[in-house]
Amino acid sequence: QKEVEQDPGPLSVPEGAIVSLNCTYSNSAFQYFMWYRQYSRKGPELLMYTYSSGNKEDGRFTAQVDKSSKYISLFIRDSQPSDSATYLCAMTKGRVSNYKLTFGKGTLLTVNP
Amino acid sequence: NAGVTQTPKFRILKIGQSMTLQCAQDMNHNYMYWYRQDPGMGLKLIYYSVGAGITDKGEVPNGYNVSRSTTEDFPLRLELAAPSQTSVYFCATASGQVGNTEAFFGQGTRLTVV
Repeated sequence: QKEVEQDPGPLSVPEGAIVSLNCTYSNSAFQYFMWYRQYSRKGPELLMYTYSSGNKEDGRFTAQVDKSSKYISLFIRDSQPSDSATYLCAMTKGRVSNYKLTFGKGTLLTVNP
Repeated sequence: NAGVTQTPKFRILKIGQSMTLQCAQDMNHNYMYWYRQDPGMGLKLIYYSVGAGITDKGEVPNGYNVSRSTTEDFPLRLELAAPSQTSVYFCATASGQVGNTEAFFGQGTRLTVV
């Protein structure tokens, strides 16, 4: 079983749709959960960051972590063509692991005007 | 303030050749990492460093070497290039501050081995 599983998609939605992206993981030692956005031929950029279980909202983006189910989600409301990118979930055990990140495979999202 | 700078951006190597991928940061971060990204496979950790003079293997270190003589630079060396090393390579840094796990990535080096 892979440590982090993410449906690679691709996912294609119309502009204005609500997008749901998900990852599951197997290692209960993960404490910090992140979503990175990667535009084509660019490096990943941090989009959302959550420590332990709970929700975090930032504008049109909401990140959810359910540690009991080992499940994390990213919701995008009112999706825009500029949201078209690959979304990578990532997680780390923190300082004890020297902040090494374990990534999902990434989901390619296309938002159509 | 350039952040994380990787050179070159693109490179084509012949099988058996060697090269060094350069990574420089001006963020004064102690932690530096090299990842490779293959299509549809996410990012896998090759090597990392927690400070000058200290390096350690990641998930996929075979065929690579690193050194860290300064805080700013973390070069990745390929000694005998193989087609399996065709990939996009990303260098990343992290501050190591308590509770701050954000990693900052360079723009990547796209390497093709033929």
